[in-house]
Amino acid sequence: GENVEQHPSTLSVQEGDSAVIKCTYSDSASNYFPWYKQELGKRPQLIIDIRSNVGEKKDQRIAVTLNKTAKHFSLHITETQPEDSAVYFCAPRKGGQAGTALIFGKGTTLSVSS
Amino acid sequence: KAGVTQTPRYLIKTRGQQVTLSCSPISGHRSVSWYQQTPGQGLQFLFEYFSETQRNKGNFPGRFSGRQFSNSRSEMNVSTLELGDSALYLCASSLGAGGDAYEQYFGPGTRLTVT
Repeated sequence: GENVEQHPSTLSVQEGDSAVIKCTYSDSASNYFPWYKQELGKRPQLIIDIRSNVGEKKDQRIAVTLNKTAKHFSLHITETQPEDSAVYFCAPRKGGQAGTALIFGKGTTLSVSS
Repeated sequence: KAGVTQTPRYLIKTRGQQVTLSCSPISGHRSVSWYQQTPGQGLQFLFEYFSETQRNKGNFPGRFSGRQFSNSRSEMNVSTLELGDSALYLCASSLGAGGDAYEQYFGPGTRLTVT
């Protein structure tokens, strides 16, 4: 089955710095690559996603890059703010089958200090 | 549009009992997926229903089952509860087909505690 790994598991940055989280996956048939943000006690929220026919996508301070050959994609957050503190999950879509099942990484806890 | 709703939000059950959780997707969404979230195992996929049919299944024992109704609302059932079933159960809805088929939106979850 799909094996998803996220690195690092924890990340501490100063406000204004950039943060990068990397996700590697094993299923070459995966074709949808979202990132979710989960604040303490809240539901996961979709913050950005990319499809396999695109290499990079930006939305204001966040961006996602995809390297299908190497089977990894990354979340980039620039000019971090304290409200960016949360757990971030990558969740490549389970490939090779119909359906929308997501296989989540273990999560990265991002702490932004002011 | 109203978001994904789940009921109940909190539940305490005893080992050996069974439980049914409910999820109402976003209007127009035909796919409902269920996930279990625990501190040790993270977010794990349970199953997905699309147009009343189970389309995908994760690696969980047969004690975990689900169904979807014609209005896309979904229920999941856990029989013979074990202590290890204590978790946050999240459902997520998506269109399930078409260009934005994969975008999933989560409900607030049901916190199940098994004693």
